[in-house]
Amino acid sequence: AQSVTQLGSHVSVSEGALVLLRCNYSSSVPPYLFWYVQYPNQGLQLLLKYTSAATLVKGINGFEAEFKKSETSFHLTKPSAHMSDAAEYFCAVSVPTASKLTFGTGTRLQVTL
Amino acid sequence: ETGVTQTPRHLVMGMTNKKSLKCEQHLGHNAMYWYKQSAKKPLELMFVYSLEERVENNSVPSRFSPECPNSSHLFLHLHTLQPEDSALYLCASSQEQGDSPLHFGNGTRLTVT
Repeated sequence: AQSVTQLGSHVSVSEGALVLLRCNYSSSVPPYLFWYVQYPNQGLQLLLKYTSAATLVKGINGFEAEFKKSETSFHLTKPSAHMSDAAEYFCAVSVPTASKLTFGTGTRLQVTL
Repeated sequence: ETGVTQTPRHLVMGMTNKKSLKCEQHLGHNAMYWYKQSAKKPLELMFVYSLEERVENNSVPSRFSPECPNSSHLFLHLHTLQPEDSALYLCASSQEQGDSPLHFGNGTRLTVT
């Protein structure tokens, strides 16, 4: 079975600073990987996905993530944080043979002035 | 109208009530999901429907009863719930293939008194 681990349940950055949210995965077959964002009182919204094409994936709102097989990682980054980026971020994994997504426990991003 | 719509957005019910949550998707997807999101816990997959047939039921108590009358609609019938069932219930839809992302509704915030 596949799984993801998100390191750090809370991350705080200053506005304009680099955002780095960590995700490591476990899968016995090449995985599909996703990052979702959840704003207060809303559902989850897809930020980006990796499906075995380019290892550097660009998403919405200036976010990107890099698939590193050797490190089993799929960390999410953004060069410069904005106040509107404050939200909860979820990493998720699936495999080609199933549509089921397995989610991480989430990382709450706080952006301070 | 596009996307995934959930009603109601908020629901307060007593432990002896019967209520239903409704989800409708306008994306032409063939799979629909119910997730439970509780504070400080990972997102829990409850039920999966593919082509209107239930394909997954993750040991959910029988007081939760799903119904999928067609590929666009999904219901969650609630009966004699417990206070620990208070949570955000999220509906999602997707195409049934591993790299297809989930599209979420904004959820129903359920409070059981």
